Amino acid sequence: GAGVSQSPSNKVTEKGKDVELRCDPISGHTALYWYRQSLGQGLEFLIYFQGNSAPDKSGLPSDRFSAERTGGSVSTLTIQRTQQEDSAVYLCASSLSFKGYSGTEAFFGQGTRLTVV
Amino acid sequence: RKEVEQDPGPFNVPEGATVAFNCTYSNSASQSFFWYRQDCRKEPKLLMSVYSSGNEDGRFTAQLNRASQYISLLIRDSKLSDSATYLCVAASTDSWGKLQFGAGTQVVVTP
Repeated sequence: GAGVSQSPSNKVTEKGKDVELRCDPISGHTALYWYRQSLGQGLEFLIYFQGNSAPDKSGLPSDRFSAERTGGSVSTLTIQRTQQEDSAVYLCASSLSFKGYSGTEAFFGQGTRLTVV
Repeated sequence: RKEVEQDPGPFNVPEGATVAFNCTYSNSASQSFFWYRQDCRKEPKLLMSVYSSGNEDGRFTAQLNRASQYISLLIRDSKLSDSATYLCVAASTDSWGKLQFGAGTQVVVTP
């Protein structure tokens, strides 16, 4: 596809269940980001993947959150034992950047709206 | 301290007026800068890149001040459709190009 694709677009889950959110970045993009955004709030950085380097997980709010990126392409964000405060829009973005280069712009997917009931 | 800081606003602007706002960045190694626009309940989209010499795109002008480590965005002849949140972004070579987003400045253009 031409852009960043996220699925599902909407997810309603019961408190305590695990959820998986998927992101298909733009082909060839080396960098992939996950953010979350609560209503009326700014972007909250979660995790950053850059090529084959160890991901920057500094934004993950708890050990219930994890993410992986397989083959340098598709990424999955997993939230275990979901809580109501996890309700937010989860945004994925990708960009073309590499060591020694400060990066090009990031392109965002349309997000996954997660509601924990 | 956040790496990129913005005045959250809102900046209430009469239609046709000019509005300008800044964002400051703390990492002196930052090399690339961008302004994004985010509409309510939508994903952020690139508005413009910010070049060292400053650049203009229609009614929008972005400027970079490296000495004081801030970038600015000016919107001339504001339209109702300019109402949005504007996100400032900086990226540095010392962090593998990781983009640092500000929390955004809300602009509300009123009739």
